[in-house]
Amino acid sequence: DTGVSQDPRHKITKRGQNVTFRCDPISEHNRLYWYRQTLGQGPEFLTYFQNEAQLEKSRLLSDRFSAERPKGSFSTLEIQRTEQGDSAMYLCASSPGQGNFYEQYFGPGTRLTVT
Amino acid sequence: AQSVSQHNHHVILSEAASLELGCNYSYGGTVNLFWYVQYPGQHLQLLLKYFSGDPLVKGIKGFEAEFIKSKFSFNLRKPSVQWSDTAEYFCAVTTPVTSGTYKYIFGTGTRLKVLA
Repeated sequence: DTGVSQDPRHKITKRGQNVTFRCDPISEHNRLYWYRQTLGQGPEFLTYFQNEAQLEKSRLLSDRFSAERPKGSFSTLEIQRTEQGDSAMYLCASSPGQGNFYEQYFGPGTRLTVT
Repeated sequence: AQSVSQHNHHVILSEAASLELGCNYSYGGTVNLFWYVQYPGQHLQLLLKYFSGDPLVKGIKGFEAEFIKSKFSFNLRKPSVQWSDTAEYFCAVTTPVTSGTYKYIFGTGTRLKVLA
């Protein structure tokens, strides 16, 4: 299967700990997006990359959050000093850079629980 | 601020009933519009999209949506639902932020349950 993959699928951490999530986009998709989804809400845009360049960041992305895509392939999302309010599903999506680049392909998500 | 509103949070229908899910957005410029669906236990997947041209767009599984610019709406329809349409449906819009970059906004979703 060559879909978007995310790792881990579930993460339980204690408040104050740092966590890092990984996203592997569909091969050759040069756009990659991160979203956060809480219960009863739609995905909330966090940030997106074109290749290795981070082109847009939401105001939701506080200083404790950082995302990278160093080689333009996989991406990582790190949350430092986690808080209970960070508990959510973190979704990754990718899209081609041309043509249908608006169409996003989503991964299964990483569910974060901060205790 | 730009936003997407989905008025129906939960919808319950019997099989063969007609479906219409509302979606309104707040942005006066050029937008691209989408409906995504999430079946139980599965990823979000694209149902249909509108970029330009014919405002009535057809998607997978018999779904269609109509873009009405004057009403800032993009409602999803299906003439006859099936039990397998039970899922959560999200309306989404992309709006340009700066040249070449876009902001994606999703609605809060509508949970559809179809009774067999």
